[in-house]
Amino acid sequence: GDSVTQMEGPVTLSEEAFLTINCTYTATGYPSLFWYVQYPGEGLQLLLKATKADDKGSNKGFEATYRKETTSFHLEKGSVQVSDSAVYFCALSLGGSSGGYNKLIFGAGTRLAVHP
Amino acid sequence: DGGITQSPKYLFRKEGQNVTLSCEQNLNHDAMYWYRQDPGQGLRLIYYSQIVNDFQKGDIAEGYSVSREKKESFPLTVTSAQKNPTAFYLCASSKGLAGGYEQYFGPGTRLTVT
Repeated sequence: GDSVTQMEGPVTLSEEAFLTINCTYTATGYPSLFWYVQYPGEGLQLLLKATKADDKGSNKGFEATYRKETTSFHLEKGSVQVSDSAVYFCALSLGGSSGGYNKLIFGAGTRLAVHP
Repeated sequence: DGGITQSPKYLFRKEGQNVTLSCEQNLNHDAMYWYRQDPGQGLRLIYYSQIVNDFQKGDIAEGYSVSREKKESFPLTVTSAQKNPTAFYLCASSKGLAGGYEQYFGPGTRLTVT
C-alpha cells in the first residue's frame, strides 16, 4: 500500500549545522509531497510542498526536491537555528484525477533538537 | 485572520462519557478532516467531509462520530465505544478533496480520559 518512511529521530544538531531529514515514499499513481512542521503542543504547519517530479519546494531556508527516480523527498536546510527545533512530518497526498480523495499519508515524524 | 480554531486545548473526561471536540474554520474550505496523533506516531485519519451533510470514514473511525451541518463546522464526538481515546486530535481543512490541495491544521485538542 501507499506509505511514507522517514529517518528515525531524534536528530540533534548544533546551531548553524547542515540538516538533512530523509523521506522516501511508496505510492501508486503520482502523489503530491509535503513537509509539515509541528512545534511543541501545537498543530501542524505546512512547511513546503511539491506536486510533480523534479519540483523543488522551499520555505524559510528549507528545501526539498521531488525525486521520482528514487521516490524521495529529503528535507534540507543549510544552517539550522534553535527555533527550528520541532517535529517534522513528511506526507504524500493522492487523489484528484485518480478519483480518490485528498488523503494525506504521514510518516512517523522526525524530532529535531538544535542546541546553541 | 483566516484559520482553524479548535476548542478546548485540553479536555479531561471520565471513562464511559461521550465528549465532543469543536472545529471551526473561516477559510471557506469545502473539505474538512479529523486526525488522531499518538506519541511518536504520525497522524491517522478518523473522518473526512467533502461538503455539508456528507462525510466518510477514514482509517480509524470506530468509536467516533461526526456531523457537518455547516460548512464552517465539523465537530467530532469521541464515544464511550472508543477503546483508547486519550490522544491529541487535529482538525484540518482544504479547498477541495483533489490531491495537491494543501491541508491547513488547527492547533489541536489534547484529550485525556481516565
